[in-house]
Amino acid sequence: DAKTTQPPSMDCAEGRAANLPCNHSTISGNEYVYWYRQIHSQGPQYIIHGLKNNETNEMASLIITEDRKSSTLILPHATLRDTAVYYCIVRPYANFGNEKLTFGTGTRLTIIP
Amino acid sequence: SAVISQKPSRDICQRGTSLTIQCQVDSQVTMMFWYRQQPGQSLTLIATANQGSEATYESGFVIDKFPISRPNLTFSTLTVSNMSPEDSSIYLCSVRSGGTEAFFGQGTRLTVV
Repeated sequence: DAKTTQPPSMDCAEGRAANLPCNHSTISGNEYVYWYRQIHSQGPQYIIHGLKNNETNEMASLIITEDRKSSTLILPHATLRDTAVYYCIVRPYANFGNEKLTFGTGTRLTIIP
Repeated sequence: SAVISQKPSRDICQRGTSLTIQCQVDSQVTMMFWYRQQPGQSLTLIATANQGSEATYESGFVIDKFPISRPNLTFSTLTVSNMSPEDSSIYLCSVRSGGTEAFFGQGTRLTVV
């Protein structure tokens, strides 16, 4: 799986949009970008994934650059409950036999009241 | 989605002893994954458990230290054997159910003294 690079930490004011960047310059054509987050003392939680088009769900939006070498996770109105470590992961889509996730160091996002 | 129950949620164990962690899923899944998260670190995959076959271990993890059972499609156990303080970590069970996203248990926080 391609390697990802994320800033180690970020702060965001409550109510503002949190924009978390991820670099994945070695991504290959069959690899998707997945985002998970881990709130303190809990297991990781799936947020969103995408291939090349921008994606939005009830939790977040995912913006992928045209060359697919980087992406941004957007939490539109951050709340204190969004304080967590956010992991950007690149992996093939539903590739049976290769379903494991390789976690990097992630970005520790702190929402400031 | 999938709901995963892990037991115990936490334990304090004496060095040299063994602890078996249970993972129960509310639906049938082909693969179950066991991760370790050392203090302040990201998640590292220990092994992948398929029902009816031996688990596949990642580099650096061996069956004698982390034996895994997978008796049916909804249940798995991970044993941490002959524990030392270096085994103090959070151990997490994960599955993929239906879609492409992974679901995680709440983890077992193990402290070895």
